[in-house]
Amino acid sequence: EPEVTQTPSHQVTQMGQEVILRCVPISNHLYFYWYRQILGQKVEFLVSFYNNEISEKSEIFDDQFSVERPDGSNFTLKIRSTKLEDSAMYFCASSLYQGANTEAFFGQGTRLTVV
Amino acid sequence: GEDVEQSLFLSVREGDSSVINCTYTDSSSTYLYWYKQEPGAGLQLLTYIFSNMDMKQDQRLTVLLNKKDKHLSLRIADTQTGDSAIYFCAERGQGGKLIFGQGTELSVKP
Repeated sequence: EPEVTQTPSHQVTQMGQEVILRCVPISNHLYFYWYRQILGQKVEFLVSFYNNEISEKSEIFDDQFSVERPDGSNFTLKIRSTKLEDSAMYFCASSLYQGANTEAFFGQGTRLTVV
Repeated sequence: GEDVEQSLFLSVREGDSSVINCTYTDSSSTYLYWYKQEPGAGLQLLTYIFSNMDMKQDQRLTVLLNKKDKHLSLRIADTQTGDSAIYFCAERGQGGKLIFGQGTELSVKP
């Protein structure tokens, strides 16, 4: 069964460092998403990506964040200068369409710890 | 604004029914979803319900939707230890993004 894979499963980084979280979406999917969950809080939408550009982003997704699809298979989330409050589980998702009845498939998440 | 709320914990005995509740705010949501997260795994779509339905049944799962009260519930019949997980309620917000609750941790005791 096709699945979304994320690497690494856990990353520890020092405050101020740049991190890149990687995701391989399902191969024929067209829409890509990043969500995050701070421990004990809700899963929050960060950004959606379609046709090589951001289609929507939340208030959380400020200038420290960027996404790209460098090679047509990977979908990455970069945090330029990490802060303690960026510590969270980051989920990548992909879907074939954007319609409300389209299933979004999620990866297993990357736990980011900023120290 | 769009918001989804769930209780945080539920503990049941194996064989009992589990009912996980959720409230949401966006009355224009056309679909509402239940996702399951097992330890170390991603979010898996369990089931969804269209907003013009009151109930949807899928094997051991029953989803009830009270659109007037903006209340959604997931009932798991004959709960098994393998059902232990975190269950997330979600609605589809504007632009297609999912708005999640904080998840309900279901613990099933043998």
